[in-house]
Amino acid sequence: AQTVTQSQPEMSVQEAETVTLSCTYDTSESNYYLFWYKQPPSRQMILVIRQEAYKQQNATENRFSVNFQKAAKSFSLKISDSQLGDTAMYFCAFISGTYKYIFGTGTRLKVLA
Amino acid sequence: ETGVTQTPRHLVMGMTNKKSLKCEQHLGHNAMYWYKQSAKKPLELMFVYSLEERVENNSVPSRFSPECPNSSHLFLHLHTLQPEDSALYLCASSQDPRGAIYFGEGSWLTVV
Repeated sequence: AQTVTQSQPEMSVQEAETVTLSCTYDTSESNYYLFWYKQPPSRQMILVIRQEAYKQQNATENRFSVNFQKAAKSFSLKISDSQLGDTAMYFCAFISGTYKYIFGTGTRLKVLA
Repeated sequence: ETGVTQTPRHLVMGMTNKKSLKCEQHLGHNAMYWYKQSAKKPLELMFVYSLEERVENNSVPSRFSPECPNSSHLFLHLHTLQPEDSALYLCASSQDPRGAIYFGEGSWLTVV
């Protein structure tokens, strides 16, 4: 069975510092996609970043970047220069087929002033 | 105007009531989803519709009944729910079956 594991239920970081959220997954597929989603206290979940498994290069979106280690089945999210607005639940997600996304249990990140 | 709109945002219903959740997407996407979000659990996929045809049905109890009249609208009809069905119900849409999905703000359901 395909699974996504986020081992850090909660984390905190000082404003302007860097934080890394971890995610591991399990699959026998070779072609798949990975995502990080952010769910702020207002509850609307939004896409942060997307990685295609066949691409070696790590995806980057402004202050957000991933460390994709395909052999280790690891997909961590690095947030640089953390801002108060980054406070949210972060979900790692995976898809190999169609439509059936698999989500982790989430990491609650709190950015401290 | 958000891309995916859900109503109502909050709903309290008795176990014998019949109610519906509504979702509308303004993104021109082909697929729509219902997810259930409970505390400390992964998001649970309930139903997926692609071009108004149901393509996923994840062993959801029959007290939940989806309806997709067109590619922009999705309903979740609720009947004879249990207290353990209390959760945040998220609607989402996507254009690409393996691309990013776009979520609504969710409907908080409390069953009393």
